[in-house]
Amino acid sequence: AQKITQTQPGMFVQEKEAVTLDCTYDTSDPSYGLFWYKQPSSGEMIFLIYQGSYDQQNATEGRYSLNFQKARKSANLVISASQLGDSAMYFCAMREQNQGGKLIFGQGTELSVKP
Amino acid sequence: DSGVTQTPKHLITATGQRVTLRCSPRSGDLSVYWYQQSLDQGLQFLIQYYNGEERAKGNILERFSAQQFPDLHSELNLSSLELGDSALYFCASSSYTQGATNEKLFFGSGTQLSVL
Repeated sequence: AQKITQTQPGMFVQEKEAVTLDCTYDTSDPSYGLFWYKQPSSGEMIFLIYQGSYDQQNATEGRYSLNFQKARKSANLVISASQLGDSAMYFCAMREQNQGGKLIFGQGTELSVKP
Repeated sequence: DSGVTQTPKHLITATGQRVTLRCSPRSGDLSVYWYQQSLDQGLQFLIQYYNGEERAKGNILERFSAQQFPDLHSELNLSSLELGDSALYFCASSSYTQGATNEKLFFGSGTQLSVL
């Protein structure tokens, strides 16, 4: 079964607007972490933001915030004030406490920011 | 710069051949992870090593093997290569604390493998 699902293969957003990238997950482990990574066309994987399953507040890192809805098992990434440099692939990932240190990744969403 | 070094950056080889991909983790990180990224399969976890010992295994083919050496660098060996093995292979590292969920992985820039 797919543990991380990103249902939007591609998205467009106008520069300076906000955009939400969807991520749902599936786990029976009560303790887990959720991550978002960005992969620009150059190929490197860049960490953006982390949310723990026991965190009471949604995580924020600059223009990135994570809309964490535990009961719905969703961890959507919100990018505010999109910039041209935000055009990239975005991956949602999960680490389960009882599964060692590995991250399981979703299929990714390709975001294109239009000027 | 993530601090994780992967070599080579590009590798072109023929079917049936064997290649070795190398990874040096960030200074102080004891755990190394290998991932395969292809268009149809996405980012797939292959294997994790911690301080020289295999820690977790994912969708790694029997034709593939890995090891982590005493100096903590790691090598991924791919043998009897097939066209479908063409992919971007990432190495990542972390400090790894058992039970921790918040440790992010630091990724290398990847090795692009093309099997012709």
